[in-house]
Amino acid sequence: EDQVTQSPEALRLQEGESSSLNCSYTVSGLRGLFWYRQDPGKGPEFLFTLYSAGEEKEKERLKATLTKKESFLHITAPKPEDSATYLCAVEVTQGAQKLVFGQGTRLTINP
Amino acid sequence: DAGITQSPRHKVTETGTPVTLRCHQTENHRYMYWYRQDPGHGLRLIHYSYGVKDTDKGEVSDGYSVSRSKTEDFLLTLESATSSQTSVYFCAISRQGGTEAFFGQGTRLTVV
Repeated sequence: EDQVTQSPEALRLQEGESSSLNCSYTVSGLRGLFWYRQDPGKGPEFLFTLYSAGEEKEKERLKATLTKKESFLHITAPKPEDSATYLCAVEVTQGAQKLVFGQGTRLTINP
Repeated sequence: DAGITQSPRHKVTETGTPVTLRCHQTENHRYMYWYRQDPGHGLRLIHYSYGVKDTDKGEVSDGYSVSRSKTEDFLLTLESATSSQTSVYFCAISRQGGTEAFFGQGTRLTVV
């Protein structure tokens, strides 16, 4: 069974305090790994796609990396506006396109 | 923002009544999806479509049906709503396999 596990469930940081969120996956065949940001009351907003181990993507204070079993979302010098729930999802190679989501990490950045 | 509109945004309905949620896109993307989001479960796929009249089941399809008669519209129907279907429903679209999906703003459905 395809599974995605995110940790920690919640993370509280001070403004400027860098950290990392983890997404580990067990899938039959990885087609792509996606990171999303979700604000309360809104739909997930796409951040990154990673396709192969060793790949890295960056956007402002966020950097996503991928290994064969997990992905990390590194947050450097975060600001309060980075507070959100961050979701990881994998697309498996079997059949048509389906995304399997982790339960998310709720990130709070205190000023 | 991707052109995805969900309607209604909020709905309260009674147990046993039929309910239809609509997702409309202006991006001409091939794939459309319906997810539900519940505390402790994250986002789970209900049904998806890979073209007009082409649909398939997702992880939690029991009690739901879908239809796609036009590229731009994907309907989710709860034939007889139950309290366990109280949730936030999200529609998503994607151009092709392996590419990012874009989500709508969600529909909050309450079954009383």
